[in-house]
Parts: sequence; C-alpha cells; structure tokens
Amino acid sequence: TQLLEQSPQFLSIQEGENLTVYCNSSSVFSSLQWYRQEPGEGPVLLVTVVTGGEVKKLKRLTFQFGDARKDSSLHITAAQPGDTGLYLCAGHLGSSNTGKLIFGQGTTLQVKP
Amino acid sequence: DTGVSQDPRHKITKRGQNVTFRCDPISEHNRLYWYRQTLGQGPEFLTYFQNEAQLEKSRLLSDRFSAERPKGSFSTLEIQRTEQGDSAMYLCASSFLGGAIYEQYFGPGTRLTVT
Repeated sequence: TQLLEQSPQFLSIQEGENLTVYCNSSSVFSSLQWYRQEPGEGPVLLVTVVTGGEVKKLKRLTFQFGDARKDSSLHITAAQPGDTGLYLCAGHLGSSNTGKLIFGQGTTLQVKP
Repeated sequence: DTGVSQDPRHKITKRGQNVTFRCDPISEHNRLYWYRQTLGQGPEFLTYFQNEAQLEKSRLLSDRFSAERPKGSFSTLEIQRTEQGDSAMYLCASSFLGGAIYEQYFGPGTRLTVT
C-alpha cells in the first residue's frame, strides 16, 4: 500500500490545456515537496509547502497543501510541451525527524504541441 | 553552483559482480540520503547519514548493500554479489539540517543494469 497516492498516473494533453495532479494520504505530513524528473535524470525540486491550506504559485504552476496536511495538488495552467515529465510528490511524515522523504508513485505528463 | 554529483552515471555489470557508486553532496549540507528508483515508480528511501553517522537504514537495504560516509563529505554505496533485481536508478540527495524544512536536492543518479 502506497503511503502517498498520486493520481492520475498518466496524463496526455494538448498544449494550452489545464491539468491538476493530486497527491493523497491518510497520514499527516509535516511538509510536502513537489519534484519534476526528466528521463535519466534526478528529481528537481519545484516547491515545498509546510502549512495546512498553503498555496504557492510558480509561474503557471499552483501548489496547494490541504488543511489537514494529508493531501496536496499541483495545477498547471496552459500547459506547454516543456512541462512534459514525471511529477513526484514527496513528504516528511509528521512523526519523523529524519528528513526521510516518502514519495508517491509519480504522474507522467505528456504535453503535445 | 555545484549541486549534488554522482559517479558513474551508468553502470552495466554481470550478475554476481560487486559495484560501488559515489555521491558528492552540496558542500555545506550535513545530511546525505540514498534512494532507489525502479521504472515507473517514485524513489524509495534506502539510508541516510548525518555527517559521518549512518542513522537509519531501510529494510530494502539487504546485507549485500553497504554505505559509508567516512569524513562526513562524499558517500559510497556498494552492492556485493549483484542480482538482476538490483537493476535500478540509485539516487543521492543532500540537505542541511537546520530550521523546520528538510528540502532535499538530488543528484543525476547512477543507472545500474545487471545482466
């Protein structure tokens, strides 16, 4: 059983469309990160959210942390082919002080021109 | 700007051979993590160091795996008697212990293929 469930697992859309990726858990996380990973490379940190209800914006990307700190979402407006990649949510469990990250299984996004 | 580096980037080995990977973290970072990622999955935690001390190991880390960080700087991950199931991307990450946010920065990974 995955501690962090991401949905959808695969998403193929046309350039200009909007999309939302979800990251859900039954556990409380003290912080949650979103990463983007390209084939053959390591994950690149996009954002960290730590406060329940927090919303952060990064250009066309909007990240939200749920009020109870059990879920998060990533919304992309007007997707571009350069947004193609694997999007990973990862978090630190509320009870942990090791800094160990728990990852979701990822969402593969393909944006067609 | 020197991020996390890993060497080699790719390794092909025959089953039963030993392999060793190296990770150089961001210089001021005192925490170093190893993760393993298989195709279509998110990374899974293997172990982590705070300075030179190895503080946690996952159950995924069988006795064929050993990691070291002898001087609190670079780290090595050795796999003995490799098996085909060891084929994966091995990722290293580092972070700075301070404050409430443990943001981790990843290296490019080492892709291991066991034939």
